[in-house]
Amino acid sequence: GAVVSQHPSRVICKSGTSVKIECRSLDFQATTMFWYRQFPKQSLMLMATSNEGSKATYEQGVEKDKFLINHASLTLSTLTVTSAHPEDSSFYICSARGGGAREKLFFGSGTQLSVL
Amino acid sequence: AQTVTQSQPEMSVQEAETVTLSCTYDTSESDYYLFWYKQPPSRQMILVIRQEAYKQQNATENRFSVNFQKAAKSFSLKISDSQLGDAAMYFCAYGSGNTGKLIFGQGTTLQVKP
Repeated sequence: GAVVSQHPSRVICKSGTSVKIECRSLDFQATTMFWYRQFPKQSLMLMATSNEGSKATYEQGVEKDKFLINHASLTLSTLTVTSAHPEDSSFYICSARGGGAREKLFFGSGTQLSVL
Repeated sequence: AQTVTQSQPEMSVQEAETVTLSCTYDTSESDYYLFWYKQPPSRQMILVIRQEAYKQQNATENRFSVNFQKAAKSFSLKISDSQLGDAAMYFCAYGSGNTGKLIFGQGTTLQVKP
């Protein structure tokens, strides 16, 4: 089956620094990628949708200047958490789809971000 | 806006028994699909089953089956012959046929007792 690789799996950073998370589709062209955030024992909350070559669409309440999403190629999307603070500590998951809205969605393995 | 509600934060089942996880949703869209995902302690999202809203027949995947009641906007998951490996958090999810976005419910933690 299709594989979505997400790196790093875990990152610890100091408050005020920026952290980049990568999401790669290894064997298919991901026309659309989604970024989710998950707090412990809670649901996955959709943060934004990114389409290759265009600006990401953010969900209501998500700060676009804090969570920078770039989808520059059909196999790579990145999420940069800028000026991270302890409240940004969370589990971030990407998912990718090749093709239309009904195409199967593949999930990355997630990134645990801890901001000290 | 679409919403997904799972009213059972935790469920437990005896090994080899059957358990049903509940899910309701709300939408004004006519084109959508529904999922159940499993998230084990590794936190990798695993697709359990998918149901197209336009199909009346309930989806099944081995020991997993759904009861899709479209008029009631209900989508429950039945796990038969429960196994220890079924222990995980289960999420019900709504997929828009228009945008492809997935909206997740709050999740149900399933414990399987030996």
